[in-house]
Amino acid sequence: GNSVTQMEGPVTLSEEAFLTINCTYTATGYPSLFWYVQYPGEGLQLLLKATKADDKGSNKGFEATYRKETTSFHLEKGSVQVSDSAVYFCALRNRGSQGNLIFGKGTKLSVKP
Amino acid sequence: GAGVSQTPSNKVTEKGKYVELRCDPISGHTALYWYRQSLGQGPEFLIYFQGTGAADDSGLPNDRFFAVRPEGSVSTLKIQRTERGDSAVYLCASSLSSDTGELFFGEGSRLTVL
Repeated sequence: GNSVTQMEGPVTLSEEAFLTINCTYTATGYPSLFWYVQYPGEGLQLLLKATKADDKGSNKGFEATYRKETTSFHLEKGSVQVSDSAVYFCALRNRGSQGNLIFGKGTKLSVKP
Repeated sequence: GAGVSQTPSNKVTEKGKYVELRCDPISGHTALYWYRQSLGQGPEFLIYFQGTGAADDSGLPNDRFFAVRPEGSVSTLKIQRTERGDSAVYLCASSLSSDTGELFFGEGSRLTVL
């Protein structure tokens, strides 16, 4: 079946540190991949996405590259800020499944000043 | 408002009671989704509407769960004979179309069944 596995949190970093949150997936066919973020007290929002192999999604200094050979979509940021503290969810959607996003369990990031 | 609105934000009920959760999507968004999020888990798909019809209800756990969207805008998730295991945050999301994968989520309705 289709699934997403994320590194377990919480992750605690100091401001300006490098961030990696690992995400691997299992899917039939060629899914689209997403990172969603949930800031405290807010709803989930799309952070970035990639729809085919070798695509790189980027937004707000975050990046993730769709790696078909390793079935991975790791999230990275070169220098985190306190305002990046949130829960990050990796997700996939198989082609033809329309709205059905499959999410990982989420990784909580805390950035200390 | 500009975003997806869900009411109530919190609902406490007793086992066996009936519950309705409401979702008001972003104006003009034709696709609407319901997800359920248990503690420490990611959102789990329940049902997806395209317009007024349920295009995919494969995630509904059993026949106690039902959702409607009669006019293609507001949606109501209905849970009959609630059980303690139904306790979770119920998330609603909408999108301009079902193709993009960019869903706009509400803050959720937290349901607690005692």
